[in-house]
Amino acid sequence: RKEVEQDPGPFNVPEGATVAFNCTYSNSASQSFFWYRQDCRKEPKLLMSVYSSGNEDGRFTAQLNRASQYISLLIRDSKLSDSATYLCVVKGSSNTGKLIFGQGTTLQVKP
Amino acid sequence: EAEVAQSPRYKITEKSQAVAFWCDPISGHATLYWYRQILGQGPELLVQFQDESVVDDSQLPKDRFSAERLKGVDSTLKIQPAELGDSAMYLCASSRDRDGEQYFGPGTRLTVT
Repeated sequence: RKEVEQDPGPFNVPEGATVAFNCTYSNSASQSFFWYRQDCRKEPKLLMSVYSSGNEDGRFTAQLNRASQYISLLIRDSKLSDSATYLCVVKGSSNTGKLIFGQGTTLQVKP
Repeated sequence: EAEVAQSPRYKITEKSQAVAFWCDPISGHATLYWYRQILGQGPELLVQFQDESVVDDSQLPKDRFSAERLKGVDSTLKIQPAELGDSAMYLCASSRDRDGEQYFGPGTRLTVT
């Protein structure tokens, strides 16, 4: 079983739609959680950190459920420019800072 | 804005040849990471340095891969001999310390023929 699991998609949605991605992680001792965005053939870039209380950044909302070991990302009012792969990332329980990435979920927003 | 630099951006090599990648982290970043990303998968950590010391190389195939960061600044990742399965994107990242945000370089896309 992979440490971080995501549905690879692709998710094809029209502009303006609301779309949600989910992710599960296996190590209950994991310390920190993130969503990264990766455009085609580019490097991953931090989209947002994820906190137990939930956090919002404009059209993006991230939620963490530690009891269920579940992370989500909600994108409202999708834009064409949101088309990318979204990587669910967990920082492990060790003190090395190692990031463990999910496979990524591909989003394609269509006009 | 400071960036992580990597070279070359693209590399095509034949199997059994040697290949090397270079990374220059953001100035002042003590922690440097090398990740490998196979097409359709997320990045996977190969090796992590704290200054010049290796702190995690548990996923590095040591029979063919080596990495160094001699002066605790820039780093080199080498593969010898390259195999077809090594075709992937090799990403370098750096952070101020182990807890800091990791910034990724543009990567080196390796194709082994």
